[in-house]
Amino acid sequence: DAGVTQSPTHLIKTRGQQVTLRCSPKSGHDTVSWYQQALGQGPQFIFQYYEEEERQRGNFPDRFSGHQFPNYSSELNVNALLLGDSALYLCASSLFRDRVRTQPQHFGDGTRLSIL
Amino acid sequence: AQTVTQSQPEMSVQEAETVTLSCTYDTSENNYYLFWYKQPPSRQMILVIRQEAYKQQNATENRFSVNFQKAAKSFSLKISDSQLGDTAMYFCAFMKQGAGGTSYGKLTFGQGTILTVHP
Repeated sequence: DAGVTQSPTHLIKTRGQQVTLRCSPKSGHDTVSWYQQALGQGPQFIFQYYEEEERQRGNFPDRFSGHQFPNYSSELNVNALLLGDSALYLCASSLFRDRVRTQPQHFGDGTRLSIL
Repeated sequence: AQTVTQSQPEMSVQEAETVTLSCTYDTSENNYYLFWYKQPPSRQMILVIRQEAYKQQNATENRFSVNFQKAAKSFSLKISDSQLGDTAMYFCAFMKQGAGGTSYGKLTFGQGTILTVHP
């Protein structure tokens, strides 16, 4: 039973570039959430996707956008990269119908993004 | 907006001893959930324990237990019989219960506490 997988593991970009990070949810899950975790800090919620639509969004600028595909996998896109975008980006998946039972989300190992 | 505060940046404990990690939160919500997550150097966030706000009984999971004080908005984690494998960053997290699950999945995390277990 595959867990949440994220790619790539590490990525180095320069300011102004664009980046795409990918996430495959745990088998059977249909909801994907993205978090940004700066070094030594707690993760911050970026947005959540369900049924290929953005359902919730945190306090992040429009430079951060996403997509969910019919197979439930998801992408996080960041445009016009800034030095402050350097962070670990975590993907978490869950099953939407389990929301009332608050089943725990499953996290991937993250993508470490470094901006030079 | 909700906030979660962990006032202990670092903690250390000897193997087999007990340690308590503190967490306070601020919210105007009445229905919500609280979690403790563990993040070892491998980076994967692992759920340790969770608590539903409507439950008065404190949650326990083997060596892990919480002290949930709703009026004080406090949610501490106690680790008994600490093991070397407990060494990790620990995060307290909050999630409000929205109508129809509309807020499901949006976790608000604290700043984390680095726990080191010494042999």
